[in-house]
Amino acid sequence: GQQLNQSPQSMFIQEGEDVSMNCTSSSIFNTWLWYKQDPGEGPVLLIALYKAGELTSNGRLTAQFGITRKDSFLNISASIPSDVGIYFCAGQPLGGATNKLIFGTGTLLAVQP
Amino acid sequence: EAGVAQSPRYKIIEKRQSVAFWCNPISGHATLYWYQQILGQGPKLLIQFQNNGVVDDSQLPKDRFSAERLKGVDSTLKIQPAKLEDSAVYLCASSPQGLAANIQYFGAGTRLSVL
Repeated sequence: GQQLNQSPQSMFIQEGEDVSMNCTSSSIFNTWLWYKQDPGEGPVLLIALYKAGELTSNGRLTAQFGITRKDSFLNISASIPSDVGIYFCAGQPLGGATNKLIFGTGTLLAVQP
Repeated sequence: EAGVAQSPRYKIIEKRQSVAFWCNPISGHATLYWYQQILGQGPKLLIQFQNNGVVDDSQLPKDRFSAERLKGVDSTLKIQPAKLEDSAVYLCASSPQGLAANIQYFGAGTRLSVL
């Protein structure tokens, strides 16, 4: 089945640092979503992207929908301890009629105070 | 607005036993999804309902997994008999109709351990 390659797999940073993670696919997606999952909880939506080239911000988070429609990145500026968690990209394949999402493998973020 | 409700939160069973999970989506959401999330991986779709009909169950292991949403509201996912490799978190999600139909809202999940 379709897969999303998400990198890096994990990041260990100091509070205040900026973070960048990305997701790539071998096929075209028409929607990209970024979710955050805390331990013992379900994923929570952070940002949704609908058009190639779209750049969207949500507070300290910024995400972009790649021009090729096969990739997306998420940046977190000035990280804080509560940013700790697993970040997942998710994409809706082009031509999909069911709003099916394919999830990446996740990026584990640890922030040292 | 209440979120997606799931129960139980945790379940421990022995292999070959049966187990059932329950999900109540956000009120008014027509689409309901069940995902399996194995430790260290992203969620994988098992089945998608639109109201009380199945839209996609291509990745549901139908020899042991079943799901229903009889009245188009809450849903039950069953595993019978369970195998060791079924140990995972089972997430339920729902989405509205219209422009936000591709935004899925997740419950906290049920963590299943099969011994």
